[in-house]
Amino acid sequence: AQTVTQSQPEMSVQEAETVTLSCTYDTSESDYYLFWYKQPPSRQMILVIRQEAYKQQNATENRFSVNFQKAAKSFSLKISDSQLGDAAMYFCAYRSKGSQGNLIFGKGTKLSVKP
Amino acid sequence: KAGVTQTPRYLIKTRGQQVTLSCSPISGHRSVSWYQQTPGQGLQFLFEYFSETQRNKGNFPGRFSGRQFSNSRSEMNVSTLELGDSALYLCASSFRDIYGYTFGSGTRLTVV
Repeated sequence: AQTVTQSQPEMSVQEAETVTLSCTYDTSESDYYLFWYKQPPSRQMILVIRQEAYKQQNATENRFSVNFQKAAKSFSLKISDSQLGDAAMYFCAYRSKGSQGNLIFGKGTKLSVKP
Repeated sequence: KAGVTQTPRYLIKTRGQQVTLSCSPISGHRSVSWYQQTPGQGLQFLFEYFSETQRNKGNFPGRFSGRQFSNSRSEMNVSTLELGDSALYLCASSFRDIYGYTFGSGTRLTVV
């Protein structure tokens, strides 16, 4: 069974600085999808960025980028120019190509942004 | 474009009762998934529906069931509620899985 591990329960960053959240996963599959979701206090999970395993190029979305290391099974999220609104729980998620709807989530990292 | 709508937002039920939660996906999305979120277990997949058919199911007891209607709206039912069923229940919809899932704000269920 696949597992997702986020080793940093909490992290803190100064506004305008850069922070990297770690995620590792365990799988024997070669084709899958990886996601980072953000959950602010409003509870709604918001998709931050996604990566398809067969694409070697790291995904980027504005201030958010990933470092996808397939051989190391690592999928870290870098947030540049951190803003107060980035404060939230961040979840890393894995989905098998053939497993519809079944996102396997890590336990999450709580990110605080200091003004 | 309206997002994923879950109703009700909050619910308090007594042990032994049953509950039905509702999820309206984004227009055009035919896949609807349900998740349970608790502090101890985190986010766990319940089931996924597509065009009224359950395509995937997580490891939950048979007390947890769901269905999807022809308009893609989905309901989740929990029978014989237990204290441990207290959780945030999240619904997510997708046009195509590879594009990711859009979540609703969830239903906070408290069982007393």
